[in-house]
Amino acid sequence: GAGVSQTPSNKVTEKGKYVELRCDPISGHTALYWYRQSLGQGPEFLIYFQGTGAADDSGLPNDRFFAVRPEGSVSTLKIQRTERGDSAVYLCASSLTIQDTQYFGPGTRLTVL
Amino acid sequence: AQSVTQLGSHVSVSEGALVLLRCNYSSSVPPYLFWYVQYPNQGLQLLLKYTSAATLVKGINGFEAEFKKSETSFHLTKPSAHMSDAAEYFCAVSDNYGQNFVFGPGTRLSVLP
Repeated sequence: GAGVSQTPSNKVTEKGKYVELRCDPISGHTALYWYRQSLGQGPEFLIYFQGTGAADDSGLPNDRFFAVRPEGSVSTLKIQRTERGDSAVYLCASSLTIQDTQYFGPGTRLTVL
Repeated sequence: AQSVTQLGSHVSVSEGALVLLRCNYSSSVPPYLFWYVQYPNQGLQLLLKYTSAATLVKGINGFEAEFKKSETSFHLTKPSAHMSDAAEYFCAVSDNYGQNFVFGPGTRLSVLP
């Protein structure tokens, strides 16, 4: 079956611009997670959704980052006024429930020039 | 709060040799523990997970890991390395509700012919 998909696979933007990163989870998975992976590091938790609501957004680095999941399926991670330090691979994962295995997408590589 | 350390950012082994990747964790509650593998330009893939059942966990591709509470360790092993095992390996911990998911920094495994 279809796995987690993320679009775009690569995004290059200029400092100060706004970007949106999309995640399509596995159908029927109620939990959805966003992580950020900088070069040479492990993924860093950002936020997770249970259904439509953000159950834990403690990993979002500041108020420039925001994520939504309006219908409990697709999620969008939004970054305002991008900074060079935001450059990383943004990973999305989904699981059937919070206690089940997380399945990861291929990631979106964001480069802020 | 949970945390994970992985000793050795880069490990090299010869093809056919034992693979040992180290993971130590810190958790204030009974943990769930995971090993993920990341092949170049691919998403994270679950190798195995410990969720308080048997302490010796067998995963895919011949890998296994043993949960040792007294040592707060969850080291990953494989008796005989194959060239296709070359990848980045991440240990991760969560609480027993599947929340507070934290990844280690990763260990890059190289397999020499």
